[in-house]
Amino acid sequence: NAGVTQTPKFRILKIGQSMTLQCTQDMNHNYMYWYRQDPGMGLKLIYYSVGAGITDKGEVPNGYNVSRSTTEDFPLRLELAAPSQTSVYFCASSLFGQGMGNTIYFGEGSWLTVV
Amino acid sequence: AQSVTQLGSHVSVSEGALVLLRCNYSSSVPPYLFWYVQYPNQGLQLLLKYTTGATLVKGINGFEAEFKKSETSFHLTKPSAHMSDAAEYFCAVNPQGAQKLVFGQGTRLTINP
Repeated sequence: NAGVTQTPKFRILKIGQSMTLQCTQDMNHNYMYWYRQDPGMGLKLIYYSVGAGITDKGEVPNGYNVSRSTTEDFPLRLELAAPSQTSVYFCASSLFGQGMGNTIYFGEGSWLTVV
Repeated sequence: AQSVTQLGSHVSVSEGALVLLRCNYSSSVPPYLFWYVQYPNQGLQLLLKYTTGATLVKGINGFEAEFKKSETSFHLTKPSAHMSDAAEYFCAVNPQGAQKLVFGQGTRLTINP
């Protein structure tokens, strides 16, 4: 079972560069999420999607963009990378939305360093 | 805004000892409650969750947690620690009707031989 798959696992970016973190899930989940995890902090929601073609902002969306053209894929784009975006990024998915206590499933994370 | 506080960023116990990781949340309406575990260089894995019903919830790997509404707490326990329990543990709440989880800052559990 692949579950939620993220690539790349590690990446170093220079300030001002752009990149896309890829995320795909094979569980036919409607809902997908991007979280970031900073050292000593809990995860914070960047963007989420309730289905193909529908996305919405989370708590910390600035500096990021997302798209959801298919049920399976939910890429996260970083435009003009800044040191403040150095973090671990987690993609996640769930069959049903949050707000009802449904379980969400996380990928293994992508470690991004901006120098 | 909903918040989650995990008391102690680091907890160290001896192998075989009781594990107690504390979690308190701020909300007038009880949210849905979760504990996730993160092993080194891995993603988060669900340990257990409380939505409704029995307030003592059993999870994987011998962990359990009790929802106490009067104390706004959801502490995680395990009677006897094992070396393989060394990891980071996150308490999270899902405010009812909200499309997100609100996480605590995490507690790193170390097991001493």
